[in-house]
Amino acid sequence: SQQGEEDPQALSIQEGENATMNCSYKTSINNLQWYRQNSGRGLVHLILIRSNEREKHSGRLRVTLDTSKKSSSLLITASRAADTASYFCATGVSSGTYKYIFGTGTRLKVLA
Amino acid sequence: DVKVTQSSRYLVKRTGEKVFLECVQDMDHENMFWYRQDPGLGLRLIYFSYDVKMKEKGDIPEGYSVSREKKERFSLILESASTNQTSMYLCASRPGLAGGWQYFGPGTRLTVT
Repeated sequence: SQQGEEDPQALSIQEGENATMNCSYKTSINNLQWYRQNSGRGLVHLILIRSNEREKHSGRLRVTLDTSKKSSSLLITASRAADTASYFCATGVSSGTYKYIFGTGTRLKVLA
Repeated sequence: DVKVTQSSRYLVKRTGEKVFLECVQDMDHENMFWYRQDPGLGLRLIYFSYDVKMKEKGDIPEGYSVSREKKERFSLILESASTNQTSMYLCASRPGLAGGWQYFGPGTRLTVT
């Protein structure tokens, strides 16, 4: 019952370029979160956008949410080598109890 | 800062062994989660707990059980480890508020031979 699907699966860009990754989901959500995972480590939360919000910014991160299309995008501007990681979206679903469903992730590589 | 710790970073076990993975959080969070992560499949929820002694099955509970005797500790148990349980296991915790962040531990890479 995978909810989120990220696109592309992998992305390779030069330092200084912008990186955009997309997430699609299937059912109604309460919120959508983006996480980063450095190689072989746990996930770290980046940004949360609620279902009644359309856009949110945090530093070099910009997240948009289109609930009519059931999709979200994460934009990282002026990327750095340190941004190299996997990025996951997680959709918050309330059905009795509250849980998150994660997508398959986008592997971003930023070349110095 | 919230801290979620897992008992081992790397673990190697033999087929048929009983395996315990421990997770401890220090922020008094009500909710705790166990995921496994496999290439191409992302994170899949095994079990979660929203209170002491309370648990709910996630998407892939078969072959696993959990225990939560204290609020800060959530254990994942593989009753009889099999090779298809070789994976990265991630623990997370979250405050009681719906919609809050999940805080992840560093993960345990389990290999079953």
